[in-house]
Amino acid sequence: SQTIHQWPATLVQPVGSPLSLECTVEGTSNPNLYWYRQAAGRGLQLLFYSVGIGQISSEVPQNLSASRPQDRQFILSSKKLLLSDSGFYLCAWSAGSGASYEQYFGPGTRLTVT
Amino acid sequence: KQEVTQIPAALSVPEGENLVLNCSFTDSAIYNLQWFRQDPGKGLTSLLLIQSSQREQTSGRLNASLDKSSGRSTLYIAASQPGDSATYLCAVSGNTGKLIFGQGTTLQVKP
Repeated sequence: SQTIHQWPATLVQPVGSPLSLECTVEGTSNPNLYWYRQAAGRGLQLLFYSVGIGQISSEVPQNLSASRPQDRQFILSSKKLLLSDSGFYLCAWSAGSGASYEQYFGPGTRLTVT
Repeated sequence: KQEVTQIPAALSVPEGENLVLNCSFTDSAIYNLQWFRQDPGKGLTSLLLIQSSQREQTSGRLNASLDKSSGRSTLYIAASQPGDSATYLCAVSGNTGKLIFGQGTTLQVKP
């Protein structure tokens, strides 16, 4: 069966510090991968998605970037965090093109920027 | 631009009651619609996925319907239980798989 992992589970970082959140998927190959952010009172927003290694699409202009160095690894980064980057970050995967695109989510990372 | 709305924002019912959660979307050109459950501080659990060519899907006490032409979906929960208390999210996708979410309905089922 497929599983999706995210770490760390929680993170408290000062403004201006760098960020690296990691997501890995097991039990499938060539998945589509997604990063979402859930900010208080703003709902879930898609940040990045990837259909393959090195292929990243950005949905919202922002202070963050994403990379996919391996087939089942997705990384969310920032060089300098802003207060507005606080939120709950969720990674998700789905089967690739031609499938139902049913998405499965990881447990999330709670980021607090102080 | 696709927009998804969920009504009501919050709902409180006594245990055992049947209930309906509503989801509407502005652009009927969707690939699929997915219902999720989110417990406080946790990730999302997929409940049901309805492809654009389908009218409904069922899983246990849950039944989701889709009326693409009117831009509406409902999630029906039968015989609600306190363990059903959570936030329920509706999301639609186009043919790239990217999801657009509603704001959710927070359900409380009282014993």
